[in-house]
Amino acid sequence: DAKTTQPTSMDCAEGRAANLPCNHSTISGNEYVYWYRQIHSQGPQYIIHGLKNNETNEMASLIITEDRKSSTLILPHATLRDSAVYYCIVRSNAGNMLTFGGGTRLMVKP
Amino acid sequence: GAGVSQSPSNKVTEKGKDVELRCDPISGHTALYWYRQSLGQGLEFLIYFQGNSAPDKSGLPSDRFSAERTGGSVSTLTIQRTQQEDSAVYLCASSLRARETQYFGPGTRLLVL
Repeated sequence: DAKTTQPTSMDCAEGRAANLPCNHSTISGNEYVYWYRQIHSQGPQYIIHGLKNNETNEMASLIITEDRKSSTLILPHATLRDSAVYYCIVRSNAGNMLTFGGGTRLMVKP
Repeated sequence: GAGVSQSPSNKVTEKGKDVELRCDPISGHTALYWYRQSLGQGLEFLIYFQGNSAPDKSGLPSDRFSAERTGGSVSTLTIQRTQQEDSAVYLCASSLRARETQYFGPGTRLLVL
């Protein structure tokens, strides 16, 4: 699976949009971009995933660049409860497991 | 609907004892995964079950670790002769089919004294 690079930490003001970037320059054509988050020591929570097109659900939006080498997860109106570690994962259709990197620790501040 | 559930939520044991951790996947999910997360570390894949196929055990760290999945549903991860380095959060995930979105349970926090 392609390696991903994310900033170690980010801050965001409550009520503002949180934009979390991810670089995956070695991504190949059959690999999906997945986003999970982990709050404290809870199990990772699935947020969203995509292949080529931008995606939106009730939690977030995922913007994937045209060359697919990077993506951005957008939380439109961050709340204090969105403070967590956010993981960007690239997974091929051939792989069984998810490989989690270091993620981005998002701190939403009042 | 109900998510993935795991039990116990916390387990404290003495070095050398055996432990069993249980995972109930989402109903109807055919694929089940075990991971572990040591303090401050990322998730480490342990084992994967898909339907009636032979499990992918490539992530099991030693022969003290084993897992089974009975009836294509509930799974048990067993650690024999526990060591202090086994202390971690053990996470279970399931997906509807192979290579689809994985949904995680809350984990079992294991502490080996």
